[in-house]
Amino acid sequence: KAGVTQTPRYLIKTRGQQVTLSCSPISGHRSVSWYQQTPGQGLQFLFEYFSETQRNKGNFPGRFSGRQFSNSRSEMNVSTLELGDSALYLCASSLNPGISGNTIYFGEGSWLTVV
Amino acid sequence: DQQVKQNSPSLSVQEGRISILNCDYTNSMFDYFLWYKKYPAEGPTFLISISSIKDKNEDGRFTVFLNKSAKHLSLHIVPSQPGDSAVYFCAASAPVQGGSEKLVFGKGTKLTVNP
Repeated sequence: KAGVTQTPRYLIKTRGQQVTLSCSPISGHRSVSWYQQTPGQGLQFLFEYFSETQRNKGNFPGRFSGRQFSNSRSEMNVSTLELGDSALYLCASSLNPGISGNTIYFGEGSWLTVV
Repeated sequence: DQQVKQNSPSLSVQEGRISILNCDYTNSMFDYFLWYKKYPAEGPTFLISISSIKDKNEDGRFTVFLNKSAKHLSLHIVPSQPGDSAVYFCAASAPVQGGSEKLVFGKGTKLTVNP
């Protein structure tokens, strides 16, 4: 079956712009979470969605937002982009929310460069 | 404050020998630990996990050891193969408000297995 699909794979934006990233989870998976990976900070949790509801949010400013649709697809948005937002944004999906005993599958990520 | 630490950014091992990747954590609330492998331009792939009620979990060539008193876990790969060359992330799960959980990642260790 198809894995976690993220679009776009690569994009370049200018400071001050906003960006929307999309994630299609594995078929049947209802939980989607987002992570930011940067060389200095490693992988950091952004948020988790289940049944269209945000269950958990990491320590990121309000410029970072997300949502989940009824078909479990998810989008994340970053407004007023800053240079420091340049990163690999990873989406992960799982059958159910939570971690223990629940295998989480990652997509290949969306590479965002802010110039 | 890095709650999950992988103090070795890189490790080089000869093919056929043992690779030992280490991870330390500070949060005693972590109750589930995972290792992920990541190749360049791909998302992290789940390798193996361990619950805090166990001290060892084995899956083929991969074994994870957990020492709760020392807040330390390690991943052993025996025998190491060139295809194991990748970045390995240690991650821990902690319960958060609202009954959810989130993953906290280390910054990764780049393993190189030389033929």
